[in-house]
Amino acid sequence: QKEVEQNSGPLSVPEGAIASLNCTYSDRVSQSFFWYRQYSGKSPELIMSIYSNGDKEDGRFTAQLNKASQYVSLLIRDSQPSDSATYLCAVNIPSNAGGTSYGKLTFGQGTILTVHP
Amino acid sequence: NAGVTQTPKFQVLKTGQSMTLQCAQDMNHNSMYWYRQDPGMGLRLIYYSASEGTTDKGEVPNGYNVSRLNKREFSLRLESAAPSQTSVYFCAIRQVSYNEQFFGPGTRLTVL
Repeated sequence: QKEVEQNSGPLSVPEGAIASLNCTYSDRVSQSFFWYRQYSGKSPELIMSIYSNGDKEDGRFTAQLNKASQYVSLLIRDSQPSDSATYLCAVNIPSNAGGTSYGKLTFGQGTILTVHP
Repeated sequence: NAGVTQTPKFQVLKTGQSMTLQCAQDMNHNSMYWYRQDPGMGLRLIYYSASEGTTDKGEVPNGYNVSRLNKREFSLRLESAAPSQTSVYFCAIRQVSYNEQFFGPGTRLTVL
């Protein structure tokens, strides 16, 4: 089982709709969760971070975290064609030795989102 | 790209050649990371440096070496390039208080 898995894509939604991206992780002690957006040929750009259970909203983006079920999701409201990109879920998984993880992130494979006019 | 620069942007090597990818930051962060990104594989950590003078292996370190000579710079070296090392390489820095990582623009490497 992969440590971080994202819902398989590609995901296609019409302009103005809600896009829902999901991610599950395997390590229960993970503490930090991130969503990155990556346009084709560009580097990943951090768009959301979440650390505690519940919802976190930032503009049209809402991140949802449920540690008991080990999933984190990203909702994009009023989707725009400019939201078309690959979305990467990343999780800070502590080292097996129990020491500090030094901020190492484990990434999912990404979900390609296309918003069509 | 959040104060992270990478050179070169593109590189083509022949099998067996060596090269060094450079990464520099102007954010005064302690932790720096090297990732590679391949289609369908997401981002995979090659090496990281928690602080100046320290380095540690990540998930896929074989075939690579790193050097963190000062706080600003973290380089990745391929001693004898192989076609399997064809990839896009990203350097990242970490904001310690929130574990957030910010990426450089990347280096696209092709090994023939």
